[in-house]
Amino acid sequence: KNQVEQSPQSLIILEGKNCTLQCNYTVSPFSNLRWYKQDTGRGPVSLTIMTFSENTKSNGRYTATLDADTKQSSLHITASQLSDSASYICVVSGPYNTDKLIFGTGTRLQVFP
Amino acid sequence: NAGVTQTPKFQVLKTGQSMTLQCAQDMNHNSMYWYRQDPGMGLRLIYYSASEGTTDKGEVPNGYNVSRLNKREFSLRLESAAPSQTSVYFCASSEGLLQGARGNTIYFGEGSWLTVV
Repeated sequence: KNQVEQSPQSLIILEGKNCTLQCNYTVSPFSNLRWYKQDTGRGPVSLTIMTFSENTKSNGRYTATLDADTKQSSLHITASQLSDSASYICVVSGPYNTDKLIFGTGTRLQVFP
Repeated sequence: NAGVTQTPKFQVLKTGQSMTLQCAQDMNHNSMYWYRQDPGMGLRLIYYSASEGTTDKGEVPNGYNVSRLNKREFSLRLESAAPSQTSVYFCASSEGLLQGARGNTIYFGEGSWLTVV
């Protein structure tokens, strides 16, 4: 079964610190991987999209990496801010002929002053 | 910019009642989607519409119907609500295919919280 697993489930860090969120997937074949940020009570917002040929992509203080060989991705947040408190969702595109997305359950990040 | 707008924001239904969730996008996107989000689970696709005039089932279509009214609007109907349909519903849209190198961005609405008692 195609799956996307994220770790940790939740994370607490102090403002200004860096953190890294992990995503492992078993989806095959794979064409792209996305990271979304979801604030409490809001809809998900796209951070990055990477294809299998890309190793890294940045969006401001957010940097996503991808290792298609090991089927792992990470999202690194630099110099965290209070506004980074949110759930971060890893999303993998499913088998090519279905045009479906497979969502992880997310990592809940809390940034404290 | 409005993006994807869905209504209502909150709704409480009694078991067996019907209702329609409305969704509209102003980005001239071809594809539209309805997802549900439940605690401890990833978003799951209910129905999608790859283009105006077409609709297809997603992972969890049972108990739902959809209508792609025009290019802008995509509604989700619960004909006879059940407690298992208590969830947060998200409408989304994208310019086109989600697969491959183009990997079009999918834009989500703000969600509709539905409780069935």
